[in-house]
Amino acid sequence: DAKTTQPPSMDCAEGRAANLPCNHSTISGNEYVYWYRQIHSQGPQYIIHGLKNNETNEMASLIITEDRKSSTLILPHATLRDTAVYYCIVKTSGSARQLTFGSGTQLTVLP
Amino acid sequence: NAGVTQTPKFQVLKTGQSMTLQCAQDMNHNSMYWYRQDPGMGLRLIYYSASEGTTDKGEVPNGYNVSRLNKREFSLRLESAAPSQTSVYFCASSAQAGGPLEQFFGPGTRLTVL
Repeated sequence: DAKTTQPPSMDCAEGRAANLPCNHSTISGNEYVYWYRQIHSQGPQYIIHGLKNNETNEMASLIITEDRKSSTLILPHATLRDTAVYYCIVKTSGSARQLTFGSGTQLTVLP
Repeated sequence: NAGVTQTPKFQVLKTGQSMTLQCAQDMNHNSMYWYRQDPGMGLRLIYYSASEGTTDKGEVPNGYNVSRLNKREFSLRLESAAPSQTSVYFCASSAQAGGPLEQFFGPGTRLTVL
């Protein structure tokens, strides 16, 4: 599985968009990009995933660059409840289904 | 649906004691997982069960055993607890073949070994 690099921390004002970057320069053609988050003391929560195209769901949008070497998770209107550690994970869909969590990005939404 | 449930929520053990962490899911998922999370760290996989009747080691299996009791339940056993096993333990489940790696996590068990 390709290695990912994320900034250790970011701040965002409440109501503004939060843009969380992830670098995965060694990603291969059949690897997906997944995003999870972990709110303090809780179990991680799945957010979104994508392969090549941009994806959107009720929680967030995922923008993947054309060369697939990086991606950005966008929370369009961040709230205080979005304060969490966000994990970017690259994984082949057909491989053994365990996830490898790195250290993620601590997003703090400020009032 | 309760999703993924774990018992107990908190536990304190003395070095050398044994205990079993219980996990159950009601989503009819085939795959189940045990992770541990040390303070300030990401999650690390201990064991997983891709389907009922199978179990495999993850990244940090030493000192642990698992049992996939049935499709719903996956337990983690510490035979002789050590202070290095002080951690938060998360159980997770996912559907098997086909879909995305969407794993559903339980609330965690906070274990302290003295």
